[in-house]
Amino acid sequence: GAVVSQHPSRVICKSGTSVKIECRSLDFQATTMFWYRQFPKQSLMLMATSNEGSKATYEQGVEKDKFLINHASLTLSTLTVTSAHPEDSSFYICSVVNELAKNIQYFGAGTRLSVL
Amino acid sequence: AQKITQTQPGMFVQEKEAVTLDCTYDTSDPSYGLFWYKQPSSGEMIFLIYQGSYDQQNATEGRYSLNFQKARKSANLVISASQLGDSAMYFCAMREGPAGGTSYGKLTFGQGTILTVHP
Repeated sequence: GAVVSQHPSRVICKSGTSVKIECRSLDFQATTMFWYRQFPKQSLMLMATSNEGSKATYEQGVEKDKFLINHASLTLSTLTVTSAHPEDSSFYICSVVNELAKNIQYFGAGTRLSVL
Repeated sequence: AQKITQTQPGMFVQEKEAVTLDCTYDTSDPSYGLFWYKQPSSGEMIFLIYQGSYDQQNATEGRYSLNFQKARKSANLVISASQLGDSAMYFCAMREGPAGGTSYGKLTFGQGTILTVHP
Protein backbone atom coordinates (compact mmCIF):
# COMPACT_ATOMS: atom_id res chain seq x y z
CA GLY A 1 0.00 0.00 0.00
CA ALA A 2 0.94 3.66 -0.25
CA VAL A 3 3.58 4.91 2.12
CA VAL A 4 2.94 8.58 1.41
CA SER A 5 -0.37 10.30 0.83
CA GLN A 6 -0.42 13.57 -1.10
CA HIS A 7 -3.53 15.69 -1.66
CA PRO A 8 -4.96 17.05 -3.79
CA SER A 9 -3.83 15.15 -6.87
CA ARG A 10 -4.93 17.94 -9.14
CA VAL A 11 -5.95 21.53 -8.58
CA ILE A 12 -7.00 24.28 -10.91
CA CYS A 13 -7.12 27.76 -9.49
CA LYS A 14 -7.39 31.37 -10.52
CA SER A 15 -4.37 33.62 -10.59
CA GLY A 16 -3.83 35.33 -7.24
CA THR A 17 -5.29 32.60 -5.07
CA SER A 18 -3.35 30.41 -2.67
CA VAL A 19 -3.21 26.64 -2.86
CA LYS A 20 -2.31 24.24 -0.06
CA ILE A 21 -0.87 20.80 -0.76
CA GLU A 22 -0.67 18.18 1.98
CA CYS A 23 1.87 15.40 2.31
CA ARG A 24 1.29 12.69 4.90
CA SER A 25 3.59 9.89 5.94
CA LEU A 26 1.36 6.87 6.52
CA ASP A 27 3.71 4.17 7.74
CA PHE A 28 6.34 5.91 9.82
CA GLN A 29 7.22 9.14 11.51
CA ALA A 30 9.17 11.50 9.29
CA THR A 31 11.28 14.25 10.76
CA THR A 32 12.37 15.14 7.27
CA MET A 33 10.27 15.56 4.15
CA PHE A 34 11.21 17.06 0.82
CA TRP A 35 9.28 19.06 -1.74
CA TYR A 36 10.12 18.82 -5.42
CA ARG A 37 8.88 20.48 -8.56
CA GLN A 38 8.83 18.87 -11.96
CA PHE A 39 8.20 20.46 -15.34
CA PRO A 40 6.91 18.31 -18.22
CA LYS A 41 9.45 15.78 -19.49
CA GLN A 42 12.07 17.08 -17.08
CA SER A 43 13.71 15.83 -13.95
CA LEU A 44 12.74 16.61 -10.37
CA MET A 45 14.13 19.74 -8.83
CA LEU A 46 14.36 20.02 -5.07
CA MET A 47 12.56 23.06 -3.74
CA ALA A 48 12.99 22.71 0.00
CA THR A 49 13.66 20.44 2.93
CA SER A 50 10.87 20.34 5.46
CA ASN A 51 12.02 19.72 9.02
CA GLU A 52 9.56 18.85 11.78
CA GLY A 53 9.46 21.55 14.40
CA SER A 54 11.77 23.97 12.63
CA LYS A 55 11.90 26.21 9.59
CA ALA A 56 12.19 24.71 6.17
CA THR A 57 15.45 24.95 4.25
CA TYR A 58 14.95 26.32 0.78
CA GLU A 59 17.11 25.68 -2.24
CA GLN A 60 18.75 28.57 -4.00
CA GLY A 61 16.33 30.44 -6.21
CA VAL A 62 13.18 29.23 -4.46
CA GLU A 63 11.13 32.05 -2.94
CA LYS A 64 10.30 31.11 0.63
CA ASP A 65 7.52 33.70 0.81
CA LYS A 66 5.92 32.25 -2.31
CA PHE A 67 6.20 28.60 -1.26
CA LEU A 68 5.33 28.33 2.43
CA ILE A 69 6.19 25.06 4.09
CA ASN A 70 4.86 23.90 7.43
CA HIS A 71 5.89 20.65 9.07
CA ALA A 72 3.69 20.73 12.12
CA SER A 73 3.83 17.05 13.03
CA LEU A 74 5.93 13.98 12.41
CA THR A 75 3.50 12.80 9.75
CA LEU A 76 2.36 15.94 7.98
CA SER A 77 4.01 18.61 5.88
CA THR A 78 2.16 21.20 3.84
CA LEU A 79 3.24 23.35 0.92
CA THR A 80 1.24 26.50 0.27
CA VAL A 81 1.69 28.25 -3.04
CA THR A 82 0.75 31.84 -2.22
CA SER A 83 -0.72 34.24 -4.76
CA ALA A 84 -0.31 31.68 -7.49
CA HIS A 85 0.41 32.80 -11.03
CA PRO A 86 0.40 30.86 -14.31
CA GLU A 87 4.18 30.38 -14.11
CA ASP A 88 3.64 28.41 -10.89
CA SER A 89 1.75 25.78 -12.86
CA SER A 90 3.70 22.58 -12.44
CA PHE A 91 3.80 19.13 -10.90
CA TYR A 92 4.66 19.24 -7.20
CA ILE A 93 5.69 16.09 -5.41
CA CYS A 94 6.73 15.40 -1.85
CA SER A 95 8.85 12.69 -0.35
CA VAL A 96 9.40 11.32 3.13
CA VAL A 97 12.56 9.77 4.49
CA ASN A 98 12.37 6.43 6.23
CA GLU A 99 15.20 6.84 8.74
CA LEU A 100 14.73 3.24 9.87
CA ALA A 101 15.29 1.83 6.39
CA LYS A 102 18.51 3.18 4.87
CA ASN A 103 16.96 6.66 4.67
CA ILE A 104 15.17 5.69 1.50
CA GLN A 105 12.86 8.40 0.18
CA TYR A 106 9.32 7.45 -0.65
CA PHE A 107 7.25 9.78 -2.79
CA GLY A 108 3.68 10.91 -2.85
CA ALA A 109 1.59 10.65 -5.99
CA GLY A 110 2.15 14.31 -6.80
CA THR A 111 -0.09 17.32 -7.31
CA ARG A 112 -0.65 18.84 -10.71
CA LEU A 113 -1.28 22.56 -10.27
CA SER A 114 -2.78 24.61 -13.06
CA VAL A 115 -3.12 28.34 -12.52
CA LEU A 116 -5.45 30.13 -14.91
CA ALA B 1 29.24 19.41 -13.69
CA GLN B 2 26.36 16.97 -13.76
CA LYS B 3 26.30 14.83 -10.66
CA ILE B 4 24.04 12.21 -12.19
CA THR B 5 24.14 11.46 -15.90
CA GLN B 6 21.67 9.32 -17.77
CA THR B 7 22.80 9.28 -21.38
CA GLN B 8 19.82 7.44 -22.84
CA PRO B 9 16.83 9.74 -23.37
CA GLY B 10 14.83 6.78 -24.65
CA MET B 11 15.16 3.01 -24.76
CA PHE B 12 13.10 0.32 -26.45
CA VAL B 13 12.90 -3.31 -25.45
CA GLN B 14 10.89 -6.30 -26.52
CA GLU B 15 8.59 -7.85 -23.97
CA LYS B 16 10.30 -10.62 -21.94
CA GLU B 17 13.78 -9.34 -22.87
CA ALA B 18 16.22 -7.78 -20.44
CA VAL B 19 17.21 -4.12 -20.64
CA THR B 20 19.95 -2.03 -19.05
CA LEU B 21 19.47 1.63 -18.22
CA ASP B 22 22.69 3.54 -17.77
CA CYS B 23 23.61 5.87 -14.94
CA THR B 24 26.94 7.44 -14.06
CA TYR B 25 27.57 9.65 -11.08
CA ASP B 26 30.12 12.10 -9.80
CA THR B 27 30.94 12.63 -6.15
CA SER B 28 33.97 13.07 -3.95
CA ASP B 29 32.12 11.84 -0.87
CA PRO B 30 33.13 8.33 0.21
CA SER B 31 29.66 7.81 1.66
CA TYR B 32 26.74 7.99 -0.75
CA GLY B 33 23.66 6.13 -1.86
CA LEU B 34 22.30 5.45 -5.29
CA PHE B 35 18.62 5.02 -6.09
CA TRP B 36 16.43 4.13 -9.02
CA TYR B 37 12.86 5.31 -9.32
CA LYS B 38 10.16 4.57 -11.86
CA GLN B 39 7.71 7.26 -12.90
CA PRO B 40 4.72 6.05 -14.93
CA SER B 41 2.55 8.50 -16.84
CA SER B 42 0.43 8.96 -13.71
CA GLY B 43 3.34 10.87 -12.19
CA GLU B 44 3.98 8.98 -8.99
CA MET B 45 7.60 8.13 -8.22
CA ILE B 46 8.01 4.47 -7.35
CA PHE B 47 11.13 3.39 -5.46
CA LEU B 48 12.79 0.42 -7.16
CA ILE B 49 16.22 -0.26 -5.70
CA TYR B 50 18.99 1.17 -3.52
CA GLN B 51 22.75 0.69 -3.43
CA GLY B 52 24.97 2.05 -0.69
CA SER B 53 28.53 3.03 -1.50
CA TYR B 54 29.88 0.57 1.06
CA ASP B 55 27.66 -2.31 0.03
CA GLN B 56 29.80 -5.21 -1.10
CA GLN B 57 27.23 -6.86 -3.27
CA ASN B 58 25.07 -5.52 -6.08
CA ALA B 59 21.52 -4.81 -4.98
CA THR B 60 18.69 -6.90 -6.31
CA GLU B 61 14.92 -6.55 -5.92
CA GLY B 62 12.88 -9.05 -7.86
CA ARG B 63 13.33 -8.34 -11.57
CA TYR B 64 15.49 -5.30 -10.82
CA SER B 65 19.21 -5.45 -10.21
CA LEU B 66 21.76 -2.70 -9.92
CA ASN B 67 25.10 -3.18 -11.65
CA PHE B 68 27.31 -1.16 -9.33
CA GLN B 69 30.81 -0.47 -10.64
CA LYS B 70 32.35 1.83 -8.07
CA ALA B 71 35.64 2.48 -9.86
CA ARG B 72 33.75 3.53 -12.98
CA LYS B 73 31.19 5.43 -10.93
CA SER B 74 28.34 3.72 -12.68
CA ALA B 75 25.10 2.30 -11.30
CA ASN B 76 23.17 0.79 -14.16
CA LEU B 77 19.70 -0.64 -13.66
CA VAL B 78 18.99 -4.02 -15.19
CA ILE B 79 15.38 -5.04 -15.69
CA SER B 80 14.97 -8.69 -16.53
CA ALA B 81 11.99 -10.22 -18.35
CA SER B 82 10.49 -6.87 -19.32
CA GLN B 83 6.75 -6.43 -19.06
CA LEU B 84 4.44 -3.98 -20.80
CA GLY B 85 3.84 -2.34 -17.44
CA ASP B 86 7.52 -1.46 -17.22
CA SER B 87 7.01 1.28 -19.81
CA ALA B 88 7.73 4.48 -17.90
CA MET B 89 10.34 7.13 -17.16
CA TYR B 90 13.21 5.88 -15.00
CA PHE B 91 15.31 8.15 -12.83
CA CYS B 92 18.66 7.50 -11.24
CA ALA B 93 19.37 9.54 -8.12
CA MET B 94 22.18 10.02 -5.62
CA ARG B 95 22.33 10.97 -1.97
CA GLU B 96 25.69 12.25 -0.75
CA GLY B 97 27.32 12.54 2.62
CA PRO B 98 27.24 10.69 5.91
CA ALA B 99 24.09 10.27 7.92
CA GLY B 100 23.25 13.26 10.10
CA GLY B 101 24.95 15.82 7.90
CA THR B 102 23.11 19.06 7.24
CA SER B 103 22.41 18.16 3.63
CA TYR B 104 21.83 14.50 4.28
CA GLY B 105 18.85 13.03 2.55
CA LYS B 106 18.77 15.40 -0.42
CA LEU B 107 18.59 13.56 -3.69
CA THR B 108 20.08 14.70 -6.97
CA PHE B 109 18.30 13.25 -9.98
CA GLY B 110 19.43 12.45 -13.48
CA GLN B 111 17.44 13.58 -16.50
CA GLY B 112 15.68 10.27 -16.83
CA THR B 113 15.28 7.57 -19.46
CA ILE B 114 11.96 6.80 -21.10
CA LEU B 115 11.60 3.04 -21.46
CA THR B 116 9.13 1.63 -23.93
CA VAL B 117 8.36 -2.07 -23.87
CA HIS B 118 7.03 -3.48 -27.13
CA PRO B 119 4.75 -6.55 -27.21
